[in-house]
Amino acid sequence: EVQLVESGGGLVQPGRSLRLSCAASGFIFEDYAMHWVRQVPGKGLEWVSDINWSSSYIVYADSVKGRFTISRDNAKNSLYLQMNSLRDEDTALYYCAKDMSEKGLGPFDMWGQGTMVTVSS
Amino acid sequence: EIVLTQSPVTLSLSPGERATLSCRASQSISSTYLAWYQQKPGQSPRLLIYGASTRATGIPDRFSGSGSGTDFTLTISRLEPEDFAVYYCQQYGRSVPHTFGQGTNLEIK
Repeated sequence: EVQLVESGGGLVQPGRSLRLSCAASGFIFEDYAMHWVRQVPGKGLEWVSDINWSSSYIVYADSVKGRFTISRDNAKNSLYLQMNSLRDEDTALYYCAKDMSEKGLGPFDMWGQGTMVTVSS
Repeated sequence: EIVLTQSPVTLSLSPGERATLSCRASQSISSTYLAWYQQKPGQSPRLLIYGASTRATGIPDRFSGSGSGTDFTLTISRLEPEDFAVYYCQQYGRSVPHTFGQGTNLEIK
């Protein structure tokens, strides 16, 4: 069974850091690009970042550029999102999602259940 | 940045009826890179359609997608009770950011 399981969310103060993880199983992780997408509860979806299969191509949304870092460890079948200098507006449910392609040119054909990040003092 | 505008924001229909959801892009996009997702309350999004018209694995044939350029449509031919949800269009591929529309809430009338 193809599965993505996020972890690492929680309550954090503004300006602090948090690292999210996404454990993948049921498919050949190193063959696919991966994404992070976030959603404020009750609101729409916002793409955050993606990384291709080899980590040679990484892009970010302007809203997180310079503060968030995406990475992956293909040996551990894991995707990460290091979030620094967190702001109130980063509060959201964070999903990891699998791309249909290795280069990040495909749609997102599998999503995890999400991990909630709450930034508040 | 490509902005996707979905209409209507809310669509109220009854089971058995036909649903037509629209997604308009602020600039022309390749139909190769247009997707539709379904999201039910408390669940993650699910890929329905990619490449504007290709159904994802396991998606019933009552779902169909069409369009090109700046105008795209998701059609559900005969609504089943489980189809009432929020639907998002998305542009992906070479253009970054991979924007989503704001969503259409398909509700039971």
